[in-house]
Amino acid sequence: EPEVTQTPSHQVTQMGQEVILRCVPISNHLYFYWYRQILGQKVEFLVSFYNNEISEKSEIFDDQFSVERPDGSNFTLKIRSTKLEDSAMYFCASSEIWGGGNTIYFGEGSWLTVV
Amino acid sequence: GIQVEQSPPDLILQEGANSTLRCNFSDSVNNLQWFHQNPWGQLINLFYIPSGTKQNGRLSATTVATERYSLLYISSSQTTDSGVYFCLPHNTDKLIFGTGTRLQVFP
Repeated sequence: EPEVTQTPSHQVTQMGQEVILRCVPISNHLYFYWYRQILGQKVEFLVSFYNNEISEKSEIFDDQFSVERPDGSNFTLKIRSTKLEDSAMYFCASSEIWGGGNTIYFGEGSWLTVV
Repeated sequence: GIQVEQSPPDLILQEGANSTLRCNFSDSVNNLQWFHQNPWGQLINLFYIPSGTKQNGRLSATTVATERYSLLYISSSQTTDSGVYFCLPHNTDKLIFGTGTRLQVFP
């Protein structure tokens, strides 16, 4: 089965530092997503991305967050000035076409701990 | 936006028992996925099911989009079925997960 890969698998950072989480979506996919899951809670939508721009974003995705597709293969989530409450698992996902019409594949997640 | 509720929130079973998990959603959808989150946190895709019924081994799923619900059936449960089960209805690019059902299967 095709795979979405994420790096790093685990990162510990100090409060106030910037963090970049990286994702390599499946090669022919056009839609990309980031989700967050605080320990023991539900998986929360952050942002969807298509054609080099944000398609949808949640109220969680404020000015602290940004996404980018810097080249043809990577999709990144940047968190500026991290806070303790940013500690969570972050999942990247991709789909071939619009999410409503196709399977969405998730990566294994990047666990972020802010201390 | 769409509201997605799952029931029951928690389920405890003995190995060998059967169970039904439910996902209710508030808006019309084009598709729906079921996931199992294992104890390591990985989201494992179980089914992609816009309508009708699909089966995969001991698991099967049914979606009735017109009535805005989907069911996941687990038969002859095993300890490895433990974890959290999420549904993910697809209706826009803002895809909202359900609240999850935490399943614990004991030997």
